[in-house]
Amino acid sequence: ETGVTQTPRHLVMGMTNKKSLKCEQHLGHNAMYWYKQSAKKPLELMFVYSLEERVENNSVPSRFSPECPNSSHLFLHLHTLQPEDSALYLCASSQGPGQGTDTQYFGPGTRLTVL
Amino acid sequence: QKEVEQNSGPLSVPEGAIASLNCTYSDRGSQSFFWYRQYSGKSPELIMFIYSNGDKEDGRFTAQLNKASQYVSLLIRDSQPSDSATYLCAVGYSGGGADGLTFGKGTHLIIQP
Repeated sequence: ETGVTQTPRHLVMGMTNKKSLKCEQHLGHNAMYWYKQSAKKPLELMFVYSLEERVENNSVPSRFSPECPNSSHLFLHLHTLQPEDSALYLCASSQGPGQGTDTQYFGPGTRLTVL
Repeated sequence: QKEVEQNSGPLSVPEGAIASLNCTYSDRGSQSFFWYRQYSGKSPELIMFIYSNGDKEDGRFTAQLNKASQYVSLLIRDSQPSDSATYLCAVGYSGGGADGLTFGKGTHLIIQP
């Protein structure tokens, strides 16, 4: 386990449900990320937050809504998902701007199944 | 379109031998390069990063970068069964700051006892 935690670890939801994924980093980092990992596809970047500002939204459907209330916490709010959204959702953090490295450390992930 | 290419494998290597994993990338402006290891059902774990041309060694692992050829490799010496995993190559573009990484699909490595 790293200094990045994610809850829940597993989530099953129907297409009409609303749920949220939570990520917390204990590394003193200033940048946080959401990635999606589907079977047989590379990790796909979804969102990037730097100093609590969203700096990248990688053409993600609006049924995924991120929130970053402070530099330690990141949420991904989910609503009206589709079965093809079933995947492993990974949170990562890095030191952030001006810190000389963009090495990212991943949390354990949330395995999401949409029925 | 930024792309990172890896041979998906599986790559089968006898225990004790050297495993060689390769990766190519499309964007010449890329500045940072990472190797992650991912066990089945787990999240990616950082193995090494490299920013400059040449070799970088850390224990049994050596990362090699050739920016002119847009090529990154990872060598694992004295391969152990516990090295069996999927190895992900990732590329960053800012060399620092907040920058999403572009990942390859990964190479599945099997170390045969």
